Amino acid sequence: GAGVSQSPSNKVTEKGKDVELRCDPISGHTALYWYRQSLGQGLEFLIYFQGNSAPDKSGLPSDRFSAERTGGSVSTLTIQRTQQEDSAVYLCASSSARGLRKTQYFGPGTRLLVL
Amino acid sequence: KQEVTQIPAALSVPEGENLVLNCSFTDSAIYNLQWFRQDPGKGLTSLLLIQSSQREQTSGRLNASLDKSSGRSTLYIAASQPGDSATYLCAVPPNAGGTSYGKLTFGQGTILTVHP
Repeated sequence: GAGVSQSPSNKVTEKGKDVELRCDPISGHTALYWYRQSLGQGLEFLIYFQGNSAPDKSGLPSDRFSAERTGGSVSTLTIQRTQQEDSAVYLCASSSARGLRKTQYFGPGTRLLVL
Repeated sequence: KQEVTQIPAALSVPEGENLVLNCSFTDSAIYNLQWFRQDPGKGLTSLLLIQSSQREQTSGRLNASLDKSSGRSTLYIAASQPGDSATYLCAVPPNAGGTSYGKLTFGQGTILTVHP
């Protein structure tokens, strides 16, 4: 079946612009996660959605970052007023239940470059 | 705060060798530990997930072990092949008392190169 998909695969933007990154999880997966992978920091958790519960936003680095998940499926990560340090690969993952015992399946990522 | 460390950072071996990748974590109260593979420019592929009650998991040429008390896991790759070349990452969810179930903490990864 289809895996996790993300769009765009690559995004180049100018400093100060807003960007939106999209994630389509595996159909039926109730949990959705966003991570950021950068050269100096490795893989960092950003935000986690589980069903209709309030999302865990504890990993968002600043208030310029926000995410929403509409209808319990597609999610959009928005970065406002982008900075050069936002350049990274943004990975989305989904799992079939409240995550502890379930594997997270990752998408291919969106590579963001802020000039 | 959970910290995950992987050793070595990079490893280069000739084809056919057996090898071991190491992962250590500071908080031993984990639910499970997961090993991932990442190919250049790609997302992560889950290889093995070991529950806290298990000591090892096997999938083909891969065997992962878990020693919670010492805060260590190893990934053993038998008869390595050039196609095994990738970055290998281990990750753990928050400890048993936490509520952020989805918040995996990753190691920095081991870059493996298997040359013919």
